[in-house]
Amino acid sequence: GAVVSQHPSRVICKSGTSVKIECRSLDFQATTMFWYRQFPKQSLMLMATSNEGSKATYEQGVEKDKFLINHASLTLSTLTVTSAHPEDSSFYICSAPPPRYNSPLHFGNGTRLTVT
Amino acid sequence: DQQVKQNSPSLSVQEGRISILNCDYTNSMFDYFLWYKKYPAEGPTFLISISSIKDKNEDGRFTVFLNKSAKHLSLHIVPSQPGDSAVYFCAAISYNNNDMRFGAGTRLTVKP
Repeated sequence: GAVVSQHPSRVICKSGTSVKIECRSLDFQATTMFWYRQFPKQSLMLMATSNEGSKATYEQGVEKDKFLINHASLTLSTLTVTSAHPEDSSFYICSAPPPRYNSPLHFGNGTRLTVT
Repeated sequence: DQQVKQNSPSLSVQEGRISILNCDYTNSMFDYFLWYKKYPAEGPTFLISISSIKDKNEDGRFTVFLNKSAKHLSLHIVPSQPGDSAVYFCAAISYNNNDMRFGAGTRLTVKP
């Protein structure tokens, strides 16, 4: 079945550095990818929707300059956390709509970001 | 603006009994609904889905019910097993609007 691969699964970085997270659709083309963030004991919060070939759509309250999203091809979307701070430490998950209507959404396995 | 709500943050049931998880939505444009199970530090795992043209979908121990007029869906797990203990998210998709929203999740604990 269709698979979404997310990399890295874990990353530890120092405050002030930038971290890039990749999300790849392995056997289907994804013109849209969703990026979520999960805080402990809370829901998956939609951060932004990336669209291939155009600007991402950010949810209210999400800093566009801090969370840079690029959807350069039909199989790759990236989220870059710029100038990371400890409060950015979280679990980030990407997902892509299925190629066919009425199919489950495909998720990456998530990235655990820890900013020290 | 919470378009999808799970009002119960937690639920505890005895092994063998039925678990019922509820979800409400406000946007009538949603036309596809899913339930996901999530363990800590892992991506969500798809459980079961239902299209807005149906009112019930069953898969083994899992059944999802949809009441469109009430904008309500529920997930029934019977019989519940300790391995079912996890956080369960409902999600709603509007394919026309390219929009997907999650509920806040319900932590299910199944006691042996």
